[in-house]
Amino acid sequence: AQKITQTQPGMFVQEKEAVTLDCTYDTSDQSYGLFWYKQPSSGEMIFLIYQGSYDEQNATEGRYSLNFQKARKSANLVISASQLGDSAMYFCAMRYDSGYSTLTFGKGTMLLVSP
Amino acid sequence: DAGVIQSPRHEVTEMGQEVTLRCKPISGHDYLFWYRQTMMRGLELLIYFNNNVPIDDSGMPEDRFSAKMPNASFSTLKIQPSEPRDSAVYFCASSFQLDSTGNTIYFGEGSWLTVV
Repeated sequence: AQKITQTQPGMFVQEKEAVTLDCTYDTSDQSYGLFWYKQPSSGEMIFLIYQGSYDEQNATEGRYSLNFQKARKSANLVISASQLGDSAMYFCAMRYDSGYSTLTFGKGTMLLVSP
Repeated sequence: DAGVIQSPRHEVTEMGQEVTLRCKPISGHDYLFWYRQTMMRGLELLIYFNNNVPIDDSGMPEDRFSAKMPNASFSTLKIQPSEPRDSAVYFCASSFQLDSTGNTIYFGEGSWLTVV
């Protein structure tokens, strides 16, 4: 079974600083995808970034990058130059490539960005 | 482009009443998912459909819950009778085919249900 672990219930960062949100996963499969979603206080789930298990380079999307370390089974989200609007809950999720697999989510990390 | 559309956004109902949540997936998406989010259990998959056919409903908590997808552009999640422990945010999501990990699952804004 898939398992996603986010060990940081909450993180604090000052505006304009970088922050890393941790995510580790447990799988014996070789082919899978890792996703990060943002959930602001308004409640919607916003897709941020995707990393495939066979991708050789770390994924980047604007200020978001994914520090993917396959051997360690970690997929940490790095947010550069934090903004006040980044304050939200962040979820790491995983999906297998084999069969018809849906997303399994971690418990989330609450990020608060202060001025 | 329109995203996943859910209604109602907020619902407060009395215990024992029937609740119907509605979802319109992104046009062209083959897969539709219903998730539930609570503080205690986080995000849980309830059921998902492929081409309007239910594929996996193992996450549906009990017989009080039912979901239908009569056509490619509409799905409902019904709770009858509702109980206070059903209070949660219910998300509908949709995706293209799942046989590629690169296909992202896109979520609606959620339906906030409170059963008193």
